[in-house]
Amino acid sequence: SYVLTQPPSVSVAPGQTARITCGGDNIGSKSVHWYQQKPGQAPVLVIYDDGDRPSGIPERFSGSSSGNTATLTISRVEAGDEADYSCQVWDSSSDHPGVFGGGTRLTVL
Amino acid sequence: EVQLVESGGGWVQPGGSLRLSCEGSGFTFRSYDMTWVRRAPGKGLEWIAYISGSGEFVYYAESVTGRFTITRVNARDSLFLQMNSLRVGDTALYYCARGASGSHYMDVWGKGTTVTVSS
Repeated sequence: SYVLTQPPSVSVAPGQTARITCGGDNIGSKSVHWYQQKPGQAPVLVIYDDGDRPSGIPERFSGSSSGNTATLTISRVEAGDEADYSCQVWDSSSDHPGVFGGGTRLTVL
Repeated sequence: EVQLVESGGGWVQPGGSLRLSCEGSGFTFRSYDMTWVRRAPGKGLEWIAYISGSGEFVYYAESVTGRFTITRVNARDSLFLQMNSLRVGDTALYYCARGASGSHYMDVWGKGTTVTVSS
């Protein structure tokens, strides 16, 4: 089955840029989606289809995908961005098509 | 307001069964694919099961295939997850989520219902 690999943790100072990667075999050929989950809350979709933002998500959140790596970029990081971030794809060639990455804990220093 | 509300979680012994429910409101339920996702303590999100808007197509994670069954009753704006042969490893917070056809992302999530499997 398809595997998505994320770093367990990323740390960044307020005001700086955070980049969270999601690795997968030829992930650039798939649509990648990103979710933010804060403690005690349900996940929230922050990026869909590689780089589109749902309404209400700040422009500071952006996404890209090419080759074997997709990246979620958070510019001008704020304390409120501290959360777990997970990437997700749909592998239509698989009998078990839904896949999440292991998640990355973003810490704002 | 678009909303999903899960129910049916609880404590069960290994080998037991539970049936989770999810009720949608504020949108045309039958027009959307639906998914169950879980998060076990200390772990990341895990995709569990998917059902198309009509109920014609269903898919499962390898970890639950043969034990869990996803169904829906569109006339009642409701989604279900029948969980049999439960294991300690199934302990998690279970979310239902509304899906987008085509790209299969999940744009609306419920608050979740907790399932604890323990002897």
